[in-house]
Amino acid sequence: TQLLEQSPQFLSIQEGENLTVYCNSSSVFSSLQWYRQEPGEGPVLLVTVVTGGEVKKLKRLTFQFGDARKDSSLHITAAQPGDTGLYLCAGVSRRLVFGKGTKLTVNP
Amino acid sequence: DAEITQSPRHKITETGRQVTLACHQTWNHNNMFWYRQDLGHGLRLIHYSYGVQDTNKGEVSDGYSVSRSNTEDLPLTLESAASSQTSVYFCASKRDRDSGHEQFFGPGTRLTVL
Repeated sequence: TQLLEQSPQFLSIQEGENLTVYCNSSSVFSSLQWYRQEPGEGPVLLVTVVTGGEVKKLKRLTFQFGDARKDSSLHITAAQPGDTGLYLCAGVSRRLVFGKGTKLTVNP
Repeated sequence: DAEITQSPRHKITETGRQVTLACHQTWNHNNMFWYRQDLGHGLRLIHYSYGVQDTNKGEVSDGYSVSRSNTEDLPLTLESAASSQTSVYFCASKRDRDSGHEQFFGPGTRLTVL
């Protein structure tokens, strides 16, 4: 069974701080996706990383795929209250395998 | 604009009753999925379909069934609702079958089984 472990589970920070969320697995995935989910809504795709070592940037969000394609990280610079939400990583194999998520709260 | 909708958004039912959750997408995607989301478990796949008349079991399919009679709809049925099926249910669709293309999620149905 393929598993994705996300850490931390919960993160509460002040506006302007930086943070990193981790997604780790013992399995290799063909690619990895990051979703953000807001309360009362479904997850929305932020990015897909495909190549080992790949780095993608989305404004203040930086996503990195590990060289061995088993892990990934999401770094947010100067967090804002609008970044609040549940961040989910999902490994792509035959079907999506989701991590349990990191619940981020950014306080003004 | 294309979209994916779920109904109802909230449902309260009693143990033993049959419940059907609707999912409708206008993306014209062949691939559709049902997940449940629970604290401590994340998103878990219940059933999925790669096209009309095709249905497949996911990792937590016991007590659930789906049918696919057209491209747009994939209703999820709980044959005899149990309290363990209290959860938030998400439907999703995707354009391509075996790739990392984006899954588009519906807004979810919160189901409570008393």
